[in-house]
Amino acid sequence: TQLLEQSPQFLSIQEGENLTVYCNSSSVFSSLQWYRQEPGEGPVLLVTVVTGGEVKKLKRLTFQFGDARKDSSLHITAAQPGDTGLYLCAGAPTDSWGKLQFGAGTQVVVTP
Amino acid sequence: DAGVIQSPRHEVTEMGQEVTLRCKPISGHNSLFWYRQTMMRGLELLIYFNNNVPIDDSGMPEDRFSAKMPNASFSTLKIQPSEPRDSAVYFCASRTGTSGNEQFFGPGTRLTVL
Repeated sequence: TQLLEQSPQFLSIQEGENLTVYCNSSSVFSSLQWYRQEPGEGPVLLVTVVTGGEVKKLKRLTFQFGDARKDSSLHITAAQPGDTGLYLCAGAPTDSWGKLQFGAGTQVVVTP
Repeated sequence: DAGVIQSPRHEVTEMGQEVTLRCKPISGHNSLFWYRQTMMRGLELLIYFNNNVPIDDSGMPEDRFSAKMPNASFSTLKIQPSEPRDSAVYFCASRTGTSGNEQFFGPGTRLTVL
């Protein structure tokens, strides 16, 4: 099993602050995804990164895939209460047949 | 467009009872996944199907759990007999082979076994 470790487990910040969530593994992934899950709902895909070193921006969210395709980070600039949620990273092993390995998640709370 | 549909949304049952969870994937998607989410263990893959055929059921906890996909638009996850430790939120997700690895999740079924 290729484990994905997320840190921190929990993050509470004030509106307007920046935050970074990390996703690390000792294994190589063919791609890595970030999902956000809100209470009572299923996870929703935010982004997929495929190439080592890739950086993708989605408004105030910046996603980076490590050069070796073993780790990733999610950075949120000027966080807003609407960013509150559980952020999950998910890696596709190189022989996954479509399977994803999910991290345990980072609970982010942004207070006004 | 309708997303992944799951029913029921909530289920409360007593230990020893049979529980059946249902899922309708997005039309045209050829892969379907069943997950279980708990605070302690996070999101765990139980089983997944490709073109209605079970590909990997290594995540199914034990023989009390079974899953079927009789056709491309319907799948069930059955627990018989249920136990309190089965209490969790169960998600169904589907994906199309042309969308990369993106999985589309249903709203989940919150199961409580007393």
